[in-house]
Amino acid sequence: DGGITQSPKYLFRKEGQNVTLSCEQNLNHDAMYWYRQDPGQGLRLIYYSQIVNDFQKGDIAEGYSVSREKKESFPLTVTSAQKNPTAFYLCASSITGVGSPLHFGNGTRLTVT
Amino acid sequence: AQSVTQLGSHVSVSEGALVLLRCNYSSSVPPYLFWYVQYPNQGLQLLLKYTTGATLVKGINGFEAEFKKSETSFHLTKPSAHMSDAAEYFCAVREGGQGFSFIFGKGTRLLVKP
Repeated sequence: DGGITQSPKYLFRKEGQNVTLSCEQNLNHDAMYWYRQDPGQGLRLIYYSQIVNDFQKGDIAEGYSVSREKKESFPLTVTSAQKNPTAFYLCASSITGVGSPLHFGNGTRLTVT
Repeated sequence: AQSVTQLGSHVSVSEGALVLLRCNYSSSVPPYLFWYVQYPNQGLQLLLKYTTGATLVKGINGFEAEFKKSETSFHLTKPSAHMSDAAEYFCAVREGGQGFSFIFGKGTRLLVKP
C-alpha cells in the first residue's frame, strides 16, 4: 500500500545536538511538507517542497533545515539553533492538483533534554 | 489572509448523541475545505473535503459537513456518536488555485461518554 513513512516514531536527544527526522513517501506525490504540532496550537508549517531540489520556508523555519534530493524523500534536520525543539513532527505530501488534500505520516515525537 | 477558527477546544457528548464540531474560515478566494481526524500519537487522517459542487459532503465513519458560503462555515456533524469517535478533529482551508498554503484550525478534542 502507498503511504508516508516517518522514522523513528520516538527520538530522544541531548540539547545542543542536531537531529534528522526521516520522511519517505511512495505515493508519487510532487509536494511534501513538514509540520510541527504542539498541544493546543494546531499544526504549523516548517518547510515545504513542490519539486525536487526546491523548497520554501514556512511559518516557523528558524532552527530547521531540509533537503529534497529525491522525489520520495524529504528529511528534516532540527538544529541546535532551534530554541524549543521538543514537539510532535508530521510529514505530509500531496499532488499539486487544485484542491488536493494532504496525506500524513504517523509522526515523530522528538524529546530534547 | 486566510484563517480557520474552531469553536471549542473540547467538546463532550454522550454515546449515541449528535456530534457537532464547528469551523469558520476566512478566505479572499473560493476555498477548499477539509476535516481531518487524529488519534493519539498518530498522523492526521482525511475525513472529508469540499472542493466544488454539492455543499453537503459525506465522509468516512458516518461524518458529514456542509459548506455554507454566506456563513463562512464548514461544520462537521455525525448523527450518533460512537466511543471510537473520541479523537482530535482539525478543520483546514486551502486557498483556491495552485496555492500550497494549508491553514489549520487549532483542533477540537471530542470526548465521548458512555
